Amino acid sequence: DGGITQSPKYLFRKEGQNVTLSCEQNLNHDAMYWYRQDPGQGLRLIYYSQIVNDFQKGDIAEGYSVSREKKESFPLTVTSAQKNPTAFYLCASSPPAGGYIAKNIQYFGAGTRLSVL
Amino acid sequence: AQKVTQAQTEISVVEKEDVTLDCVYETRDTTYYLFWYKQPPSGELVFLIRRNSFDEQNEISGRYSWNFQKSTSSFNFTITASQVVDSAVYFCALSEAGAGKSTFGDGTTLTVKP
Repeated sequence: DGGITQSPKYLFRKEGQNVTLSCEQNLNHDAMYWYRQDPGQGLRLIYYSQIVNDFQKGDIAEGYSVSREKKESFPLTVTSAQKNPTAFYLCASSPPAGGYIAKNIQYFGAGTRLSVL
Repeated sequence: AQKVTQAQTEISVVEKEDVTLDCVYETRDTTYYLFWYKQPPSGELVFLIRRNSFDEQNEISGRYSWNFQKSTSSFNFTITASQVVDSAVYFCALSEAGAGKSTFGDGTTLTVKP
């Protein structure tokens, strides 16, 4: 089945540690996104990528890093510089910009819940 | 800059009641897209509807209906005869035509009690 797979579902980070959240899609989508969701709050954009080997900072990029070496994959690293990483992280992807019908619709993974030990 | 406001943080209704979720947006673009997503307790957001700025026709899909009014910059969502399974967080989002990203509102938590 086509979709977006995020792993792991739960992740624990120790003080000073970098952790990487995985996001893989087999929908052949060009664009991919990472969002952070805090309890009772909306989605805040961390990074997004519209094409392989290119990505842009979102609204809250500090303390995070990404790579986009393959179309299918957009991993997010939460670095030790992110002092308050506890949150629910959602990855999404979006069809090619030329597709009118599906333009800008985002398809989401099931999320990764990150906590600090 | 674009902005989406969902003024209702939480709504609680009894099953079979109708409920309307409000969404007000701000954008300087003339071409843009509006969306509603549902986030059930499992956490994964599910796309419900997309509307482009040139199409002000209201839409109905089963018990769901959407009212887009450009004059008031609103894109409201009504659930008719609500059911317990409708309990979720609902997000309204806005995407400008040339942008590759969307801005989300803070969400409205809907609780439907039996």
